[in-house]
Amino acid sequence: GNSVTQMEGPVTLSEEAFLTINCTYTATGYPSLFWYVQYPGEGLQLLLKATKADDKGSNKGFEATYRKETTSFHLEKGSVQVSDSAVYFCALSEIYAGGTSYGKLTFGQGTILTVHP
Amino acid sequence: ETGVTQTPRHLVMGMTNKKSLKCEQHLGHNAMYWYKQSAKKPLELMFVYNFKEQTENNSVPSRFSPECPNSSHLFLHLHTLQPEDSALYLCASSLGGDTGELFFGEGSRLTVL
Repeated sequence: GNSVTQMEGPVTLSEEAFLTINCTYTATGYPSLFWYVQYPGEGLQLLLKATKADDKGSNKGFEATYRKETTSFHLEKGSVQVSDSAVYFCALSEIYAGGTSYGKLTFGQGTILTVHP
Repeated sequence: ETGVTQTPRHLVMGMTNKKSLKCEQHLGHNAMYWYKQSAKKPLELMFVYNFKEQTENNSVPSRFSPECPNSSHLFLHLHTLQPEDSALYLCASSLGGDTGELFFGEGSRLTVL
């Protein structure tokens, strides 16, 4: 079956530090990959996505590149802010017959990020 | 209102109670989902509804009973729960046919005593 493994947190950084959150996956087919973010007291929201190998997803200064050879989708940001403190989830979905996945996402366990001023 | 709205935000119930969680989406989406979020565990997909029809039941115990009367509303009826069912229950919706972009509500925090 499919699975997603994220680096264990929590991760604590100072403002303007470089961020990497590792994510690796196993899948039987050709999944799309996602990073979701959950700010305190809120639901998850999509941060970025990549749908095929070598694609780079980016949003709000965050980036992640779909690496099929290493089955990875690591999240990076060059300079984090206090407002980036949240829980980050890596996820994958597989495309089923007809080209749809209907939200059958497989999530990692989440990584808590805390950024201090 | 816009987005995905869940009520109640917090619920405490005994093991013999019956309660329901409600989810409403104002995004015009066709698919709705229930996920369970427990501490230090990945999100678990519980149910999927597409155009009001249940398309996924991820081996969820029968003490959880979903209902989807239309594409905008989703309920999770709860009865004779166990303390290990205490968790954050997240509702989500998607356009349907999309490759994984879900829109989540803020969740209903359930505590079973």
